[in-house]
Amino acid sequence: GNSVTQMEGPVTLSEEAFLTINCTYTATGYPSLFWYVQYPGEGLQLLLKATKADDKGSNKGFEATYRKETTSFHLEKGSVQVSDSAVYFCALSSGGTSYGKLTFGQGTILTVHP
Amino acid sequence: NAGVTQTPKFQVLKTGQSMTLQCAQDMNHEYMSWYRQDPGMGLRLIHYSVGAGITDQGEVPNGYNVSRSTTEDFPLRLLSAAPSQTSVYFCASGSGGRAPRETQYFGPGTRLLVL
Repeated sequence: GNSVTQMEGPVTLSEEAFLTINCTYTATGYPSLFWYVQYPGEGLQLLLKATKADDKGSNKGFEATYRKETTSFHLEKGSVQVSDSAVYFCALSSGGTSYGKLTFGQGTILTVHP
Repeated sequence: NAGVTQTPKFQVLKTGQSMTLQCAQDMNHEYMSWYRQDPGMGLRLIHYSVGAGITDQGEVPNGYNVSRSTTEDFPLRLLSAAPSQTSVYFCASGSGGRAPRETQYFGPGTRLLVL
């Protein structure tokens, strides 16, 4: 079956530091890959996505590249801000009868200090 | 647009009680789903629906029922609450039309505590 593995957290950084959150996946076929963000007390918001190999998703300074050869979709940001403090979830959606159903990683808590 | 709304925001139940978590969306989305979020486990799919009158089970359906009588609403019923159902519940919707169904919009969540 499908699965998503994220690097264990929590991750604590100083403002303007470089961020990487690792994500690897196992899936049949050609899944779409996503990063969702959950700010304190809120629901999940789509941060970025990529729907085929070598695609790069980007939003709000965050980037992730769909690497089929390494089955990875690592999230990066060059300079984090205090407002980026949140929980980040990597997820996938595969095709066929699973179309639309999201499989999530366990989430990574990011805390950014001034 | 309100997007995806969920009620209540917080609920405390005693073991054996029943309740319904409400979910509504105003985006005319075909696809709706329910997830539960537990610490260290990410979100897991409970039930989903690809349109009015059509529902199916997800990864963790036991103890939950759903129905989809309208496009807008997708309630989740707990028939006999158990402490293992203490969790945060999220409803989500997605479009099969102009936007791909992969883009899912989540509600703010319902925090449920079963004593």
